[in-house]
Amino acid sequence: GENVEQHPSTLSVQEGDSAVIKCTYSDSASNYFPWYKQELGKRPQLIIDIRSNVGEKKDQRIAVTLNKTAKHFSLHITETQPEDSAVYFCAASLSNGNQFYFGTGTSLTVIP
Amino acid sequence: DSGVTQTPKHLITATGQRVTLRCSPRSGDLSVYWYQQSLDQGLQFLIQYYNGEERAKGNILERFSAQQFPDLHSELNLSSLELGDSALYFCASSVVPDSNQPQHFGDGTRLSIL
Repeated sequence: GENVEQHPSTLSVQEGDSAVIKCTYSDSASNYFPWYKQELGKRPQLIIDIRSNVGEKKDQRIAVTLNKTAKHFSLHITETQPEDSAVYFCAASLSNGNQFYFGTGTSLTVIP
Repeated sequence: DSGVTQTPKHLITATGQRVTLRCSPRSGDLSVYWYQQSLDQGLQFLIQYYNGEERAKGNILERFSAQQFPDLHSELNLSSLELGDSALYFCASSVVPDSNQPQHFGDGTRLSIL
């Protein structure tokens, strides 16, 4: 089955700096890649997603890039704010969409 | 509000007991997924149902079972509970499993085993 690796496991940045979280996947048949943000004790919330026919997608301060050849995708957060502090999970889904394979999460801390 | 409803929000019980967690998917969603999240851990996929049928199985223990009913709500049954079963249990739903649409998560049920 699919295997998703996520790095780093923890990340601290100064407010206003950029944060980058990287994920790799193993199955070239994966074609949907969502990112979720989870605040402490809360549910995971979708923040952005990308499909394999697109190389980059942006939504305000958040962007995701996908390199299908290298089988990796990244989340970029610019101008970070304290409210961006949370755990971020990447995921990959095969074309049959049966299940999401989640990364192990990155705990992001934005220091005011 | 994601539109996915999970009950109860909290559950406290003892080892050896059995509990049932309930999930109502978003209106229009046909597929339901169950996840377990232990303290400071990632999301462990347990099982998926689509339109009443089991579609995919993850690392679900034999002591755990689930089903999806004709009205599309789902229940996760946990039996012979152990201390290690203490966790947040999330339900998520999506439109159909083959459409590459996001899963939307409920607020979870926090299960504490004493």
